[in-house]
Parts: sequence; structure tokens; C-alpha cells
Amino acid sequence: DAMVIQNPRYQVTQFGKPVTLSCSQTLNHNVMYWYQQKSSQAPKLLFHYYDKDFNNEADTPDNFQSRRPNTSFCFLDIRSPGLGDAAMYLCATSRDTSQNTQYFGPGTRLTVL
Amino acid sequence: GESVGLHLPTLSVQEGDNSIINCAYSNSASDYFIWYKQESGKGPQFIIDIRSNMDKRQGQRVTVLLNKTVKHLSLQIAATQPGDSAVYFCAENTRIAGTALIFGKGTTLSVSS
Repeated sequence: DAMVIQNPRYQVTQFGKPVTLSCSQTLNHNVMYWYQQKSSQAPKLLFHYYDKDFNNEADTPDNFQSRRPNTSFCFLDIRSPGLGDAAMYLCATSRDTSQNTQYFGPGTRLTVL
Repeated sequence: GESVGLHLPTLSVQEGDNSIINCAYSNSASDYFIWYKQESGKGPQFIIDIRSNMDKRQGQRVTVLLNKTVKHLSLQIAATQPGDSAVYFCAENTRIAGTALIFGKGTTLSVSS
């Protein structure tokens, strides 16, 4: 049974056109994360929510925003996608932030034309 | 075999051989470690974890070894199968609340029949 679900699996957008990626979880975990992963690289953390508390990584561009309307859902908004934002976007969840396994969704592959 | 602390970006083995994937971590405060397997086009999948109060942990066909003295982590896969072909990432975390999971550089394992 899918525990971390991401929609869509593939997203194509145009340069500068806002796009929203969706993540939902059935684990009832407190923490939800968004990562960006480019080809042949490790996932790079953009930000995470602990419950409703938003935690942004220092080097995450302002172009990336997130919303968590409830425990189950978290969204990644890219306000003005550039060509350099083409990547796999991974959502993950964990019960807590320390010493806790993170469970990843299948990812959304974003293409920017 | 690989030297302690030396990260190899790729590893090629024959089906049935044992594989050893190495990872050097950087943070002395890290006390929780995870190995993830990532197949092409998919999200990272949890394989096995280990806490710093242990130096060895075994799962099904996999063993993780932790050497805190030299800050080295390894993943051993017994009787490697073609389905084991993937990118393997180690990740470290601390018990400090709010700290992020830090991913190491991945190793691409290729298994030939």
C-alpha cells in the first residue's frame, strides 16, 4: 500500500509558469519534507514542516514555497520555474526529525520548457 | 576491495558475488545512519538503519557496519542479484531535534548476470 503519494509523477511546465506539486501521506507522520534531486546527485533538502512549523533551508531560493494545509498533505509551489529547476522532486515523511527514518514518495519529474 | 573512507561512485559485480558499498560521514555528532536504495525514476527506498550504540546490524541479505573511530559506514549485500542494481545512498542524522538528514554521495551498483 502506498504510504507517501506524489502527484503528478511527471509534470511539464513552461519557463516562468507557476507549478504546484502535491504530496500526501497515510502514515500520520509529524514531519514532511521536500527534496530536489538532479541527475546523478544526492537529494537536496529544500524545507520541511514539523506539524505546522515551517523550516526553510538557508540556501533554498525564494522561488520555492510550500504549504501544509493539514497533516496528510503538503504542496511544493514553484513560482517562476527556470530551466535550472528541472529535476526530480521528492517528498518524504518521518515521525520525528531526529533519529527517525524518512520514507520517500516516488517523486515528481519536472520538465521546464 | 575499497579502502576505508574511499567513496567509489560506481561498483560493478557479477551476480552471486558479495557487494560492499562504503560511505564516509562527516559529523562526529551523527548518531543515526540509514542506507537507501534508489532505482531509476523512483524515490529512495529504506534498506537498513543503525544507531551509534551498535557497530553491526543485519537484515535480509544486507549487513551494515559502523566504525565510529574513522567515521565510516558500509553496506554489505550478500549474493548480489540483478534486482539489486541501483544507486545506494548513505544518510546520517543526529538526535538534535530539527536537524536534517544528510545524504552522502551515491554509489551506482551494477550487477551483471
